[in-house]
Amino acid sequence: VQLVQSGGGLVQPGGSLRLSCVASGFTFSDYWMTWVRQAPGKGLEWVSYISNSSGYTNYADSVKGRFTVSRDNAKNSVYLQMNSLRAEDTAVYYCARGGRVSGYWGQGNLVTVSS
Amino acid sequence: QSALTQPASVSGSPGQSITISCTGTSSDVGGYDYVSWYQQHPGEAPKLMIYDVSNRPSGVSDRFSGSKSGNTASLTISGLQAEDEGDYYCSSFTSRFTLLFGGGTKLTVV
Repeated sequence: VQLVQSGGGLVQPGGSLRLSCVASGFTFSDYWMTWVRQAPGKGLEWVSYISNSSGYTNYADSVKGRFTVSRDNAKNSVYLQMNSLRAEDTAVYYCARGGRVSGYWGQGNLVTVSS
Repeated sequence: QSALTQPASVSGSPGQSITISCTGTSSDVGGYDYVSWYQQHPGEAPKLMIYDVSNRPSGVSDRFSGSKSGNTASLTISGLQAEDEGDYYCSSFTSRFTLLFGGGTKLTVV
């Protein structure tokens, strides 16, 4: 099982960024996928998850209305579109396999929101 | 939603046992048997150690065990080893169909 992330970087407040996570080594369409973030020196914070068929998504209050999770099962990929970014969104973002239980994690992507 | 409550730090000597608590409410920890525990070493992604309160994934040492009573879940590590040092996080499914993490506990093996 591998989850390879891309798309992090530096963005100005109010800007947008899209994170990608490509999965391999398992039947991607069988699993929910989750995004979790970790601000520098802080703990883990659940961000969002998406069901295996994209029929269900949910978000943390802190990102609701600004972030959108999506997936393309044909490309074994899950995405996190982040809009109206704020300084407090600065964190390492992880994608993980599973919904309420995340057994495999990506390597993490640092997103820095700063002018 | 506020994070689940964990002690900021615990410590133990090699060979000893330690327990990390994770306290929530009836809307999360107390309402569902869906508590997980993750271990994280510096600069690494978290690793799943316990799921559904007391189940161990394949490959995780049986020195790690989980339990729950009311609104508090616990992770016990027996036969403490130097490699167990790191940060530990609990998580719980909630009544809002979200996930909630604890604030994290730093385990030091002295």
